[in-house]
Amino acid sequence: EADIYQTPRYLVIGTGKKITLECSQTMGHDKMYWYQQDPGMELHLIHYSYGVNSTEKGDLSSESTVSRIRTEHFPLTLESARPSHTSQYLCASSEPNSGNTIYFGEGSWLTVV
Amino acid sequence: AQSVTQLGSHVSVSEGALVLLRCNYSSSVPPYLFWYVQYPNQGLQLLLKYTSAATLVKGINGFEAEFKKSETSFHLTKPSAHMSDAAEYFCAVSGGGGYQKVTFGTGTKLQVIP
Repeated sequence: EADIYQTPRYLVIGTGKKITLECSQTMGHDKMYWYQQDPGMELHLIHYSYGVNSTEKGDLSSESTVSRIRTEHFPLTLESARPSHTSQYLCASSEPNSGNTIYFGEGSWLTVV
Repeated sequence: AQSVTQLGSHVSVSEGALVLLRCNYSSSVPPYLFWYVQYPNQGLQLLLKYTSAATLVKGINGFEAEFKKSETSFHLTKPSAHMSDAAEYFCAVSGGGGYQKVTFGTGTKLQVIP
C-alpha cells in the first residue's frame, strides 16, 4: 500500500491568487509525478521528477511549476490561478522495479472562481 | 513506443453479472501491464499488475486479468459484479523496469445496475 499524501483535498480560490498544492510520500521513491484530470476524463501528465533537483515537463503543457528539494516532497505551484486551471490534480510516485509501478495520492480538487 | 486502448468508455452490467473491461496494448518491448480503479473524488488505486510471472493475475476486490501476448490484450474480469464496483477503471502499460514511462488508457466507466 502506498503512502502518498496531498493537501489540500479541496480548494476554492479567486482568480489571480497564488496557490501551492502539497504532495509528500514516505516510501523513499525517487520518481514523482503530477497529473491533471478533469472530471470523468483521462489523465494528463504535467510534471515529473527523477529525484532531488530534477524536474521535467510532462506531455500536457501547464502553467504550473514544481520543485523537488527533498526526496519526499514535490509541491506544485500556480503563480496566478485562472478559471481554466479548475481541475483535479493527482500526485504520484513510483518504484523503479516491477515496471515502474505508480502509486497515487487522493488528489487535490482545485476550483478557481 | 507504447500505447493502450480501452474499448468502451462506458460499460453497464447488472449486479451479479460478469464484468469484462477490455484493454489492448502496443509495446516494442515485453510490457508491464496495470489496472487501476478510481472512485469518485479519489485518486487511482492499483488493482493488479502483470510483471511477466504468471499470465493470469489476481488482484484486489475479486478482479483478475489475463495477459495474452498473441492478442496483445490484458482484459479485466470479475465473475459477479457488486454495486461497490461502480467506478472508473484505467489500464496502463510500461516498457519495463527502471524509469520507463507509464502510459495510461482513457478509462472505462463501469455502471452496475441493481
